[in-house]
Amino acid sequence: KAGVTQTPRYLIKTRGQQVTLSCSPISGHRSVSWYQQTPGQGLQFLFEYFSETQRNKGNFPGRFSGRQFSNSRSEMNVSTLELGDSALYLCASRLSTVNYGYTFGSGTRLTVV
Amino acid sequence: SQQGEEDPQALSIQEGENATMNCSYKTSINNLQWYRQNSGRGLVHLILIRSNEREKHSGRLRVTLDTSKKSSSLLITASRAADTASYFCALGRQGRKNDYKLSFGAGTTVTVRA
Repeated sequence: KAGVTQTPRYLIKTRGQQVTLSCSPISGHRSVSWYQQTPGQGLQFLFEYFSETQRNKGNFPGRFSGRQFSNSRSEMNVSTLELGDSALYLCASRLSTVNYGYTFGSGTRLTVV
Repeated sequence: SQQGEEDPQALSIQEGENATMNCSYKTSINNLQWYRQNSGRGLVHLILIRSNEREKHSGRLRVTLDTSKKSSSLLITASRAADTASYFCALGRQGRKNDYKLSFGAGTTVTVRA
């Protein structure tokens, strides 16, 4: 079966702009989580969506937002981009049960200049 | 801290040798998971061990969990060059509101020399 698909793979944006990243989970997976990975902070949890509802949120400013659609696809948006937002953004999906591993996409590499 | 702490930060071994990395944590958990990441790509799930389990095996991987010491270890036996990657432990915790969160440690960078 198809894996988790993230688009685009690479993105270059200018400070102050906004960006939207997309994630298509594995078919049947209703839970989608987003992570930010940087060399300095490592993997930081952004948020998790389940059945179109945000169930959990990490410690990120309100410039970071997301949503999930009825087909479980998810998008995350970052407004007013800052240089520090440059990172690898990873999306992961899983079955809704707790004791189940995550399947990650290949990520979107965002560079803010 | 809600994240695991991996030790060592980096490990260099000869092909064929075993590699062991450890993860310590401070909170209660539902499960502990190990992931591998190659060169800044997506993470690959390796193994999940539940809080009521003590040991699990998957191929050349062996994971132990000691909840009394709040620690876990990942052993890779007979390492290969393809095992060169970063390995992360992740803590799975379900909160009171039925929300679930997976928190990652900083990772161990493993280099397998041919």
